[in-house]
Amino acid sequence: DTGVSQNPRHKITKRGQNVTFRCDPISEHNRLYWYRQTLGQGPEFLTYFQNEAQLEKSRLLSDRFSAERPKGSFSTLEIQRTEQGDSAMYLCASRGFTGELFFGEGSRLTVL
Amino acid sequence: RKEVEQDPGPFNVPEGATVAFNCTYSNSASQSFFWYRQDCRKEPKLLMSVYSSGNEDGRFTAQLNRASQYISLLIRDSKLSDSATYLCVVNVGGTGANNLFFGTGTRLTVIP
Repeated sequence: DTGVSQNPRHKITKRGQNVTFRCDPISEHNRLYWYRQTLGQGPEFLTYFQNEAQLEKSRLLSDRFSAERPKGSFSTLEIQRTEQGDSAMYLCASRGFTGELFFGEGSRLTVL
Repeated sequence: RKEVEQDPGPFNVPEGATVAFNCTYSNSASQSFFWYRQDCRKEPKLLMSVYSSGNEDGRFTAQLNRASQYISLLIRDSKLSDSATYLCVVNVGGTGANNLFFGTGTRLTVIP
């Protein structure tokens, strides 16, 4: 499968714990995005990488959130000291030269 | 004002009906436009790009009206399998920062 891959698919954690999600984009895509989505809402932009450079972070991204893309390939999104309000689907997408986004299946986070 | 606005619906239509959704955008310099389909608890998937001249893919027709700053999606002969949320995405152009904006989605239910 050469699509966007995310793991874990599901994560249940207790409030205050740290979680990390991984995204492997389509290999020839240099642009990578993270979004958060809650029920009934469209995806909310979190952050954007072009190659290894993080070019933009949303104001929604508190200092508990950090994302990396160290070698311009896979990316990680870490949430420290999770809160119940962090419960959501975290979507990764990569973007090719034609401009369309291709999404992974998402990582669903539940904070108890 | 939001970059992209959609009527959230829900739209409940009988099988075989024709249904249309609009999506308005605020940035007149917006460059490209897309419709995505999202099934419940799944990731968004590209349905079609929207070209200036309008484009059709089977039962689906997408149109762009730059003067009034909206895009539309028309679904003819609705099938039960068309039930989903339809998201519009607008590329406002520029480089170096996130330039993709999502609507909140329009929910469609096709009824037998």
